[in-house]
Formats: sequence, structure tokens, C-alpha cells
Amino acid sequence: EAGVAQSPRYKIIEKRQSVAFWCNPISGHATLYWYQQILGQGPKLLIQFQNNGVVDDSQLPKDRFSAERLKGVDSTLKIQPAKLEDSAVYLCASSLRPTGETYEQYFGPGTRLTVT
Amino acid sequence: GQSLEQPSEVTAVEGAIVQINCTYQTSGFYGLSWYQQHDGGAPTFLSYNALDGLEETGRFSSFLSRSDSYGYLLLQELQMKDSASYFCAVRVAAGAGSYQLTFGKGTKLSVIP
Repeated sequence: EAGVAQSPRYKIIEKRQSVAFWCNPISGHATLYWYQQILGQGPKLLIQFQNNGVVDDSQLPKDRFSAERLKGVDSTLKIQPAKLEDSAVYLCASSLRPTGETYEQYFGPGTRLTVT
Repeated sequence: GQSLEQPSEVTAVEGAIVQINCTYQTSGFYGLSWYQQHDGGAPTFLSYNALDGLEETGRFSSFLSRSDSYGYLLLQELQMKDSASYFCAVRVAAGAGSYQLTFGKGTKLSVIP
């Protein structure tokens, strides 16, 4: 079974530029998550989708971050414009069932973003 | 909101046993998970405790005491490959029938020969 795929693996941009990350979850997984992991900290949930609907985006900085999951499969996370403090690893995760029915999440390798 | 406390670093000898503690303060608690993350790698699921007591999976065990808001991860027969960061995470209700994980800052385990 293929794991969660993410691209790109690394990205360097200047502040005020835009950037987009892509995630393809494990086939058949209903729930998809985007996390931000700043160096030395644990992952912080940004947004959670169930199929193609948002179930929780309370921690997403909506003035600059946006995410979509068209057709309930892959997803993109966008930052526009980027700030220095956005430098982090952006992790995508998926789980087979809705979060009320499962607790295990499968993480992708992440995209390491550096904003200069 | 939620807060989790775990030691930032732990060092242990190969072949020994190490315990990583996690205390939490949260509302709407449903369970405690543990994830392992090697440097530059993806977090991988280790265990989940919803009820009080000890869960064992091979060399790893996890314990939860809901009344004390406390849990720990126990690693036995340590191997060099166990050197990694270990995160505890609380599973809490997020509304609309969904749940979310809130992670601690992680404990960096170094296994030495």
C-alpha cells in the first residue's frame, strides 16, 4: 500500500511570495489533515477535511493560508503572502475512517519550507 | 485549550529501559496517542490509550491514568534505531462529531552504546 505522498519536499521562497503544497493521501482514506511543524515543536493541526468538506479549520490563519480538497482525494495548501514565521515543515496526514471512528493517522514525509 | 508537558530530552543506554512521561491539561479528552519521528522523517503511530491501564505492543508499552491526566511510553530493550523524537498527543472533540490531535513538543531520545 502506497503511503501519503507530498510534493515538493523542499521549497525556498522570499517573504511576500506565494507557495503551494500538494498532498495525495492513502487510497480510500476519508480524512485528510494538514499540520505545521516548526523546528523543535510538535505538529500543529491547521485544517482537517472529511471527504471534500472542511470539519475543522479553527487554527488556520485564513488571512494568508487556504486549502482545498477537490473530489475528496488529493489536497493543496497555499500560503499567500508568506512570512518569515511560516518557515516550517508542512505535514499531510490521512486516516481511513472519520475521526470519530479511528485514532490512527498516517503521515507523509512533509514539505520543508524556508522563507527568507 | 490544551497543554501537554513532556521532557525535552532523554538519554539511555542500548539494551536498557526508558520511560517518557506526558502530563496534560485539556477538556473533552478522549485518549492519548504516541508517535515516533526520526530526524527528517514522518511521524509514525505507536500506540493509543483510551482507558486507564497499560497497552503493550512488542518492545513498546503505553500507560494512561485519566484521573491523574498522565501517561507514559515505556521502551524496553533499547536499540540504536530507537533514537528519535517521541510525541504524546491528546485526542479531543473538535465539534460536529469530529476529533483532533493536539501534540506535545516532543521528547528527543538518544540511545548510546
